[in-house]
Amino acid sequence: AQSVTQLDSQVPVFEEAPVELRCNYSSSVSVYLFWYVQYPNQGLQLLLKYLSGSTLVKGINGFEAEFNKSQTSFHLRKPSVHISDTAEYFCAVRLMDSSYKLIFGSGTRLLVRP
Amino acid sequence: DADVTQTPRNRITKTGKRIMLECSQTKGHDRMYWYRQDPGLGLQLIYYSFDVKDINKGEISDGYSVSRQAQAKFSLSLESAIPNQTALYFCATSDGTAYNEQFFGPGTRLTVL
Repeated sequence: AQSVTQLDSQVPVFEEAPVELRCNYSSSVSVYLFWYVQYPNQGLQLLLKYLSGSTLVKGINGFEAEFNKSQTSFHLRKPSVHISDTAEYFCAVRLMDSSYKLIFGSGTRLLVRP
Repeated sequence: DADVTQTPRNRITKTGKRIMLECSQTKGHDRMYWYRQDPGLGLQLIYYSFDVKDINKGEISDGYSVSRQAQAKFSLSLESAIPNQTALYFCATSDGTAYNEQFFGPGTRLTVL
C-alpha cells in the first residue's frame, strides 16, 4: 500500500533561520510529488510539485524541494523563514495510475518565532 | 472571486441531524473531491467524481453520501450526523491533465454535538 510519512508534527524555528520539513513516501508504482501549504483558516494552496526532470524544484515564497528516488524522499527547504511562513505543510503523492488520487501525509506545523 | 467556494463555512449541529455541505467551482474542471481533515491525520478522501455521471467512494465514505448536480456543483451529505464526524471538510477540483493538480476550497468546519 502507498503511504506518505511526515515525521515531524511540529517544527519551531526562529525568524531568518533555515528550515527543512521532511517527507518520505512508500509506493510500488511511480508517483508525482507535491507540497501544499495551509495558512490559518484557509484551504490548501500548492507550494510546489515534482513531475519529472530536475530533481530540485522551486516553488512559491522561496521554498524548494529535492526529490531523492533512492531514499524515496521529497524534503522541503527554505534558507531563511519569515513570520508569515507560519502554517501547516502537507506532502502528497499522486500515483501514476488511473485513479488520480492524492495521498496526503499527516502534516507538519511550521512555527516561526521572532 | 474564489474559484472554489464552500457553504457553509462553519456549522454546528446535533447528533442525528441531516447535514449538507455544498461546493461550487468556476474553474471549469470535470473532477471534484471531498476530503476530511482531522488533526494529526492529514486529509482523507471521502468521495470523488470525474464527471456528472461518475461517483466513486474514497477511503472513508461510510456515513457520507454525495451528489454531483452539475459540472460545477458537488455536495456532501451526512444523513445522520454523529460526533466523530466533527472535522474540517474540504472540497477540491482538478482538470484531467496527467499531474492532476488539485485546487482547494476554504473548508467547512463542522461540529456535531
